[in-house]
Amino acid sequence: EPEVTQTPSHQVTQMGQEVILRCVPISNHLYFYWYRQILGQKVEFLVSFYNNEISEKSEIFDDQFSVERPDGSNFTLKIRSTKLEDSAMYFCASTRWAGSRETQYFGPGTRLLVL
Amino acid sequence: SQQGEEDPQALSIQEGENATMNCSYKTSINNLQWYRQNSGRGLVHLILIRSNEREKHSGRLRVTLDTSKKSSSLLITASRAADTASYFCATAITSGTYKYIFGTGTRLKVLA
Repeated sequence: EPEVTQTPSHQVTQMGQEVILRCVPISNHLYFYWYRQILGQKVEFLVSFYNNEISEKSEIFDDQFSVERPDGSNFTLKIRSTKLEDSAMYFCASTRWAGSRETQYFGPGTRLLVL
Repeated sequence: SQQGEEDPQALSIQEGENATMNCSYKTSINNLQWYRQNSGRGLVHLILIRSNEREKHSGRLRVTLDTSKKSSSLLITASRAADTASYFCATAITSGTYKYIFGTGTRLKVLA
């Protein structure tokens, strides 16, 4: 069964450094998402992306965050200057369409630790 | 309550028993999905139920949806130790674009 993949699985970085989290959505999917989950808390929506532009972003998704689809397969989340509170599990997700029948498939996540 | 609140927050049962988890939400939805998350791992999709459906089954899983009460339940029958995980409901809303609002989750522990 097709699946969403994410790399790296774990990343440790120093505060103030830039990180890029990578995702490969399911190949025929058109809608892409990033979520994050701070340890012990619920999963929070960050941003949705369709047709090479951001569709919607949450208040968490401030100017330090950006997303890009640099080629036909990868979907990236960049955090420009990481803060301690950015430590979380980051999940990428994709759907084929945006509709009530569509399952949102999640990747395995990248665990980011900011020191 | 928040959009997507599960109860109970934690549930401990014996293997073979049934586990029921509930999810309540506030705004109108297009669909509701249940996910399982093993400790520190990814989200595994379990089942999707659309707003015009009332009940769905998948193996040992049964999901109900009551849009008048804005609530859903997930029943796992004949539970196994391998079902130990956190279970989240996620509601699809269409304010702007499609996105999912996750609940706080129920931590299920199945004792062998």
